[in-house]
Amino acid sequence: QVQLQESGPGLVKPSETLSLTCTVSGGSINNYYWSWIRQPPGKGLEWIGYIYYRGSTNYNPSLKSRVTISVDTSKNQFSLKLTSVTAADTAVYYCARGVGTLGYWGQGTLVTVSS
Amino acid sequence: SALTQPPSASGSPGQSVTISCTGTSSDVGGYNFVSWYQQHPGKAPKLMIYEVSKRPSGVPDRFSGSKSGNTASLTVSGLQADDEADYYCSSNAGSNNLAFGGGTKLTVL
Repeated sequence: QVQLQESGPGLVKPSETLSLTCTVSGGSINNYYWSWIRQPPGKGLEWIGYIYYRGSTNYNPSLKSRVTISVDTSKNQFSLKLTSVTAADTAVYYCARGVGTLGYWGQGTLVTVSS
Repeated sequence: SALTQPPSASGSPGQSVTISCTGTSSDVGGYNFVSWYQQHPGKAPKLMIYEVSKRPSGVPDRFSGSKSGNTASLTVSGLQADDEADYYCSSNAGSNNLAFGGGTKLTVL
């Protein structure tokens, strides 16, 4: 059974960079697309972007200037970096397998942007 | 949100309820890549329907999906208490982008 686990700091200061890693277990990261999605407290889901295991990416146009998604196939991990964060970036961040069909999700990790 | 869902829906146990997801010809109407997710409080979303009407293994056949024009729908038949959750639709939105609906809170009365 494929499992995903997000990890990274739960608190980030305004203007700094949010960095999260998603570790995939129970299956290979190869041959799949991998996505990041976020959900502000009490609000709906927002797609951040995705990466193919070979490294090609696509980002939400509204976040594109601040987002970088990368993959490390040797570690079965992929990562998210979001620069110049503000309070509006406070959310639960999820990693998931796929793009339009997100069949496997991590449990999510809350990242709070605050000084 | 790029896709429009009603904020709430409700039904009694055993009844059926349908949740709509309205987009445009650039997303819902243009692709057969509509998915539906169920999210219980404090939990990660769970895929319930993909490619408009397909059910992943393990999802009860009480859940069904359809699409007409720019509107997709999720129907939950034989409502059960555990169906009470938030439901989100998503669709390919062109240029390989993904759009989500704003979510619908389903209450089982």
